[in-house]
Amino acid sequence: KNQVEQSPQSLIILEGKNCTLQCNYTVSPFSNLRWYKQDTGRGPVSLTIMTFSENTKSNGRYTATLDADTKQSSLHITASQLSDSASYICVVSSGNTGKLIFGQGTTLQVKP
Amino acid sequence: SQTIHQWPATLVQPVGSPLSLECTVEGTSNPNLYWYRQAAGRGLQLLFYSVGIGQISSEVPQNLSASRPQDRQFILSSKKLLLSDSGFYLCAWSRGTSGGPYEQYFGPGTRLTVT
Repeated sequence: KNQVEQSPQSLIILEGKNCTLQCNYTVSPFSNLRWYKQDTGRGPVSLTIMTFSENTKSNGRYTATLDADTKQSSLHITASQLSDSASYICVVSSGNTGKLIFGQGTTLQVKP
Repeated sequence: SQTIHQWPATLVQPVGSPLSLECTVEGTSNPNLYWYRQAAGRGLQLLFYSVGIGQISSEVPQNLSASRPQDRQFILSSKKLLLSDSGFYLCAWSRGTSGGPYEQYFGPGTRLTVT
């Protein structure tokens, strides 16, 4: 069964600190892995997309890693800001159909 | 630039009433269109997707239906709403499925509460 699991479910950190979110997947065939940021009550916004051959990709203070062998990905946030408070969703695309399999998300709260 | 619109933003409907949610995309042609539902505390679930006018694929059997009457218009409907239809409905578009990966761009969503 194709699944995407994220941990932790929720996380609270202080402003300025770093954090790392985890994603494990069992999706076959694998096409690509995406990280989205979703503010409360809004649609998700893409942060990164990584294909099988990519093992790291950055978008500003966000850095995603991918280990296709162990089927794990992480999203590292550097020097967190209050505006980073959101849900972060790991998404894996299966095959060439463009269909996405979503994780349940990690809710991040950054406190001053 | 491309934009995606959804309306209404929020909706409260009684059980058994009909539903019509609309999604439109501007600034692109022949997009792939998607309807997702996000229940509280759960991941997004793909409901329908469309690769062209009149072409609808259903991912989850349910009392919802989708239509694509125009290239950039995608409608989600129900004849009789159930309590379990409550959730956050998101429309998304992408450029294609072959030769990707293509980004999926999400709309602002519709919060539906069935009472």
